[in-house]
Amino acid sequence: GAVVSQHPSRVICKSGTSVKIECRSLDFQATTMFWYRQFPKQSLMLMATSNEGSKATYEQGVEKDKFLINHASLTLSTLTVTSAHPEDSSFYICSARDGQHYEQYFGPGTRLTVT
Amino acid sequence: GNSVTQMEGPVTLSEEAFLTINCTYTATGYPSLFWYVQYPGEGLQLLLKATKADDKGSNKGFEATYRKETTSFHLEKGSVQVSDSAVYFCALSEVQGAQKLVFGQGTRLTINP
Repeated sequence: GAVVSQHPSRVICKSGTSVKIECRSLDFQATTMFWYRQFPKQSLMLMATSNEGSKATYEQGVEKDKFLINHASLTLSTLTVTSAHPEDSSFYICSARDGQHYEQYFGPGTRLTVT
Repeated sequence: GNSVTQMEGPVTLSEEAFLTINCTYTATGYPSLFWYVQYPGEGLQLLLKATKADDKGSNKGFEATYRKETTSFHLEKGSVQVSDSAVYFCALSEVQGAQKLVFGQGTRLTINP
């Protein structure tokens, strides 16, 4: 089956620093990748949709200058949280979809803690 | 806009009990419907799906039927196990555009031996 990996699985950083999270599709080419944020005991909130080679489309209320998304290849998308603050602490999940199917395959998530 | 409403949890059952988690949706057009499961500390896994009215998705003893007339996609299992303890999310996929997923709020299920 389709596998999506995320790295790192956990990261702790200091307030004001930037953190990069990688999302990779391991056995298929992902023309579209999605980034979600999940707060404790809550549902997933879509942050942005990215298509390979083009700019990401951000959902309303998501700061594009704070959450930089790059989808430079068909197997890799990155989310960079710039100038992180404690309120950015959350569980970040990516998903990927190939060009032929509508089903999304989810990564295991990255837990970010900003101190 | 599109939305998904799930039965609020948490839900606690004894092993071998019957499970129903209600899910209703609001959407334009005819979306695809999904149930995802999230085990502790893990990402989401697709449990089952249905792409058109009256379709029944099934997997691992779980079932859900796409009911257009009641805009529902309730999840059922006849006899739950301790290993079914997880958070369950109902979701729909937009028909057009980026086909984004819209999730319900999730239902935490705990099965006691």
